[in-house]
Amino acid sequence: DSGVTQTPKHLITATGQRVTLRCSPRSGDLSVYWYQQSLDQGLQFLIQYYNGEERAKGNILERFSAQQFPDLHSELNLSSLELGDSALYFCASSPQQGADEKLFFGSGTQLSVL
Amino acid sequence: AQKVTQAQTEISVVEKEDVTLDCVYETRDTTYYLFWYKQPPSGELVFLIRRNSFDEQNEISGRYSWNFQKSTSSFNFTITASQVVDSAVYFCALSDDVVVGNQFYFGTGTSLTVIP
Repeated sequence: DSGVTQTPKHLITATGQRVTLRCSPRSGDLSVYWYQQSLDQGLQFLIQYYNGEERAKGNILERFSAQQFPDLHSELNLSSLELGDSALYFCASSPQQGADEKLFFGSGTQLSVL
Repeated sequence: AQKVTQAQTEISVVEKEDVTLDCVYETRDTTYYLFWYKQPPSGELVFLIRRNSFDEQNEISGRYSWNFQKSTSSFNFTITASQVVDSAVYFCALSDDVVVGNQFYFGTGTSLTVIP
């Protein structure tokens, strides 16, 4: 068990809808990262937060947004969902924000858009 | 631009065989870090090893070993005497020494199946 908690584990929704994925990092970890894993594109970095502030942005669509709250948990909001958004969304955390950080991954949220 | 290439999409070996997973990376930075992660069927990625760009020593941990060669920009992973429990998807990743913020670039993964 990595100590990173993601909810829900599975989410089934329809096109055009909006969903929120939640992540609780390991106790004491200040950085949270969001990744999207799809069969055809592998593991794509979306966004990183450190102690409540956005630190790095990857290939995150404008329809997606995220935030990290004062208690350090993070939420990833996906809106106007499309079939292509179906994927496994991972959250990871690390103690700090250095390039040498080991990432601790949650078990992911499997999103299915029908 | 940073990039990690894992050319082997799927590999199958018979139990007790040795297997090497290839990883080739691209970066213009002189300070960077390389990682391997394992994703078992349960889905959660698990950290295996980290290497910085200034340490080219090979590392061995039990049946696992890693060969880092800057001259060929490669960071290969060898499993000796493979076991069924080694069946998983393995990801190689690269991280640069960026001042503010950080992102880890992952390869597309190599799916390893160890046949009993």
